[in-house]
Amino acid sequence: QSALTQEASVSGTVGQKVTLSCTGNSNNIGRYAVGWYQQIAHGAPKTVMFGNSLPSGIPDRFSASKSGTTASLTISGLQPEDEADYYCSTWDYSLSGVVFGGGTKLTVL
Amino acid sequence: QVHLVESGGGLVKPGGSLRLSCAASGFTFGNYYMSWIRQAPGKGLEWVSYISSSGTTKYYADSVKGRFSISRDNAKNSLFLQMNSLRVDDMAVYYCARSTPTDYWGQGTQVTVSS
Repeated sequence: QSALTQEASVSGTVGQKVTLSCTGNSNNIGRYAVGWYQQIAHGAPKTVMFGNSLPSGIPDRFSASKSGTTASLTISGLQPEDEADYYCSTWDYSLSGVVFGGGTKLTVL
Repeated sequence: QVHLVESGGGLVKPGGSLRLSCAASGFTFGNYYMSWIRQAPGKGLEWVSYISSSGTTKYYADSVKGRFSISRDNAKNSLFLQMNSLRVDDMAVYYCARSTPTDYWGQGTQVTVSS
């Protein structure tokens, strides 16, 4: 069981806005910045957001937010190439380690 | 441009050892803390170990504590993971990753543990 909780699957149509969530607690998301990672067909993960920063080369239809112990990744204007598994992670103060969510499979219909 | 290139993976018998390496380029390696993260077949991402920029602070997941050892050579822009007493459930693709949250990933190296 993962320390961070993500939806198992989310789907949306091209052009739609979708939001993925990542729920933790006061020792992890409540304290530290969150990273979001895209993994297509079990290739190497790619960072799409870290903290509030959009990495170079990532389209600005990706955005992130955090409220209390829940972080969210929003994709505005969903594209077919966004179909992937998405993972969240952050540091955990009580575990002294990095924790991950179990991943969300995003399907573009 | 940031590049992280892992090497050292392969096939090993249960109880055996492997040493993974990660060659970093395109940034000042000694300024960043680094991690190893793995992914078992069909599973999600799992953090393995973290090392501070100077190498003085190290953390490990409970699943590898006492068996794996992380180290770095800032003069050679390299990160290492010594893996001893390997088990079947250590079989995974191992990724080198910069910072927490991670901003850059390597392409991964496959570790297969099988008799």
